[in-house]
Amino acid sequence: AQKVTQAQTEISVVEKEDVTLDCVYETRDTTYYLFWYKQPPSGELVFLIRRNSFDEQNEISGRYSWNFQKSTSSFNFTITASQVVDSAVYFCALSEAWGGAQKLVFGQGTRLTINP
Amino acid sequence: EADIYQTPRYLVIGTGKKITLECSQTMGHDKMYWYQQDPGMELHLIHYSYGVNSTEKGDLSSESTVSRIRTEHFPLTLESARPSHTSQYLCASSPRQKPTDTQYFGPGTRLTVL
Repeated sequence: AQKVTQAQTEISVVEKEDVTLDCVYETRDTTYYLFWYKQPPSGELVFLIRRNSFDEQNEISGRYSWNFQKSTSSFNFTITASQVVDSAVYFCALSEAWGGAQKLVFGQGTRLTINP
Repeated sequence: EADIYQTPRYLVIGTGKKITLECSQTMGHDKMYWYQQDPGMELHLIHYSYGVNSTEKGDLSSESTVSRIRTEHFPLTLESARPSHTSQYLCASSPRQKPTDTQYFGPGTRLTVL
């Protein structure tokens, strides 16, 4: 069965520090997709990135960057120069074909607090 | 980015009441989903739909039911609410065309049953 593990339940850093959120996944599929979502205190899940299993290039979007390593089954997320607005719960997810739909298997989430 | 709307955002009701949580999307997405989120943060799929007149149960057993009469609308109903139903309910949708995997979420409904 597919599984996503976010070992860091909570992280607290001071503003402007860099922070990395870890994500390790398990799957037997050769084709799969990985995601990161952000859940701010308001409650909605905001899509951040989607990565397919054939694309191991790292991605950078502003202060956000993602490091995908198939060899270690990891898809880590780094925020550079963190800001208070980055405070949220972050979820890593793996897409699994399930019937005719795509089921997202979520990690347990990492609560990130950025202190001023 | 998908536009998905959920109402109400917050609901506090008494035990035994029938409730319907509304979810609508304006992107014409075929697939829609309902997730239940525990206070401990983990999300679980409870229902999904491939399209109109299609509904399936997810991997977490739920006493709720859903319907899909129109593409844009995917309401969830609890016939008789109980305190164990207290949770956050998140609706999501994804398109038919590739990439089909990305699910876009609504703002959620936080339900409290007294």
